[in-house]
Amino acid sequence: EAQVTQNPRYLITVTGKKLTVTCSQNMKNEYMSWYRQDPGLGLRQIYYSMNVEVTDKGDVPEGYKVSRKEKRNFPLILESPSPNQTSLYFCASSLTSTRNTIYFGEGSWLTVV
Amino acid sequence: AQKITQTQPGMFVQEKEAVTLDCTYDTSDPSYGLFWYKQPSSGEMIFLIYQGSYDQQNATEGRYSLNFQKARKSANLVISASQLGDSAMYFCAMREQGSARQLTFGSGTQLTVLP
Repeated sequence: EAQVTQNPRYLITVTGKKLTVTCSQNMKNEYMSWYRQDPGLGLRQIYYSMNVEVTDKGDVPEGYKVSRKEKRNFPLILESPSPNQTSLYFCASSLTSTRNTIYFGEGSWLTVV
Repeated sequence: AQKITQTQPGMFVQEKEAVTLDCTYDTSDPSYGLFWYKQPSSGEMIFLIYQGSYDQQNATEGRYSLNFQKARKSANLVISASQLGDSAMYFCAMREQGSARQLTFGSGTQLTVLP
């Protein structure tokens, strides 16, 4: 079964403590991306990757880093989390950026206090 | 400028009635796709329906249909015979062929189905 797996699903952390949200896909999709969801704003893209070693900024990249060292994994790194990064995060994957079948992870609820 | 606009933050509908959720979009790309997703309170994103800009007919998937009016740049979701389980947040999203950005989302509409 095609799947995108995110971990952790729920996390409460403190300001400034580095954290990584992992994302892994069990397909051979080239395209992976991260979104954050905030009330009244919908989902906004943070970063995306069109293939291994190819990443680019989305609409709200400030405060985040990503890497794509292998096709299946696309971790989201918060080097110094702040309370305004409290959000629901989604990882998504598709074969390419133009494919209509988009697989979403289950979401990671992150609270920064 | 907003690429996807959902003007209804919240909607109520009686069980078994039909409801229309509005979505307007803005793009200069002649090739694009429009999506609707459902997000229940558990948080996962559930794909409902897709409409391509060159599709001649409105998309339908079971009780969901997409009322696509290209000249008006609108892609409203119609849910027929609402059920209590339809209570959720609904997002309209767009993919532009010429963009690497995958999806641009609207702000969502919270639908509540009343018994």
